[in-house]
Amino acid sequence: SQTIHQWPATLVQPVGSPLSLECTVEGTSNPNLYWYRQAAGRGLQLLFYSVGIGQISSEVPQNLSASRPQDRQFILSSKKLLLSDSGFYLCAWSNRDEAFFGQGTRLTVV
Amino acid sequence: AQKVTQAQTEISVVEKEDVTLDCVYETRDTTYYLFWYKQPPSGELVFLIRRNSFDEQNEISGRYSWNFQKSTSSFNFTITASQVVDSAVYFCALSEAPERVTNAGKSTFGDGTTLTVKP
Repeated sequence: SQTIHQWPATLVQPVGSPLSLECTVEGTSNPNLYWYRQAAGRGLQLLFYSVGIGQISSEVPQNLSASRPQDRQFILSSKKLLLSDSGFYLCAWSNRDEAFFGQGTRLTVV
Repeated sequence: AQKVTQAQTEISVVEKEDVTLDCVYETRDTTYYLFWYKQPPSGELVFLIRRNSFDEQNEISGRYSWNFQKSTSSFNFTITASQVVDSAVYFCALSEAPERVTNAGKSTFGDGTTLTVKP
């Protein structure tokens, strides 16, 4: 069966520090991968998605970047965090019909 | 541009009551998919259902039922005989489907409805 791992679960980082969130998928090959952000009390906003190694599409302009160095690995990064980067970040993978989400990372920028 | 509206921010019911969560969507696409997800306090999203725009047949799964009405651009979700374990945030989402090929992960989400079921 397929599983998705996302870490860390929580993170507190100072403004201006770098960020690296990692997501890996097991049990499937060549999945579509996604990073979503959920602001408090709001729905999910798609940040990045990838249909293959090295292929990244950005949905909204922001202070973040994404990379896919391996087929089942998706990384969300920032060189310098802003206060507005705080939120709940969810990684997901999908086949055509369903999306499967990780446990999420709660990021607080202080 | 796509948009999903969940007008109910919070709903509180007593156990065993029926509850309906509303979802209204906007899209210019002629083919699309609609989803409902459940987000329990632990945070991960749990897939509940997917419906496509070319099939308006309503669906029932146990205590859950979904009413898709293309004429009103609505995809409402009803929980019958609610239970405390149904307490969660519920999201409605929309995904475009060119040539009827969906990309389930690339979705526009509503802001969610927080459902609290009291014992």
